[in-house]
Amino acid sequence: AQKITQTQPGMFVQEKEAVTLDCTYDTSDQSYGLFWYKQPSSGEMIFLIYQGSYDEQNATEGRYSLNFQKARKSANLVISASQLGDSAMYFCAMREVDNYGQNFVFGPGTRLSVLP
Amino acid sequence: DADVTQTPRNRITKTGKRIMLECSQTKGHDRMYWYRQDPGLGLQLIYYSFDVKDINKGEISDGYSVSRQAQAKFSLSLESAIPNQTALYFCATSAGYSNQPQHFGDGTRLSIL
Repeated sequence: AQKITQTQPGMFVQEKEAVTLDCTYDTSDQSYGLFWYKQPSSGEMIFLIYQGSYDEQNATEGRYSLNFQKARKSANLVISASQLGDSAMYFCAMREVDNYGQNFVFGPGTRLSVLP
Repeated sequence: DADVTQTPRNRITKTGKRIMLECSQTKGHDRMYWYRQDPGLGLQLIYYSFDVKDINKGEISDGYSVSRQAQAKFSLSLESAIPNQTALYFCATSAGYSNQPQHFGDGTRLSIL
């Protein structure tokens, strides 16, 4: 069963508008972490934001915020005031404990295109 | 200098050749990972290592092997490359705390003809 679901293969947003990228996850652990990464066309993976399962406040990092709804098992990324440089693939990932310790699982990604 | 360095950055080779991709890190992390990314898709875990004496298979380990030569070095080998192993390969490291992200190298673009 897929542990991380990103239902939007592609998204478009107008420059300067906000956009929400969806992520739902599946785990039976009580302690886990959720991460978002950005992959521009140049290929590198850039860490954006982290949310812990016990964090009561939604995480924020500059223009990025994470809308964490634990009961619904969702961790959506919100990008405010989109810029052309935000055009990239975005991956949601979860760190949970497995039999070998803590490991990471990635979603399939969402390609965001910011329109001028 | 990059914290996680992968060499080579690009490689074109022929079917049947042995290939080694190397990864070194200066972050002092115990945990290292190798991932494969096919065009337009997410990351698939090939192998991971939580310390020098620990090697674990990921979801797609067939056709690959790894060596953890030191805490800072983790290499990936394709013993006999085949065209469907053409992909972008990432090395990553992480600390052992649950709130710490993975740190990725810039990737190796591997093409097998």
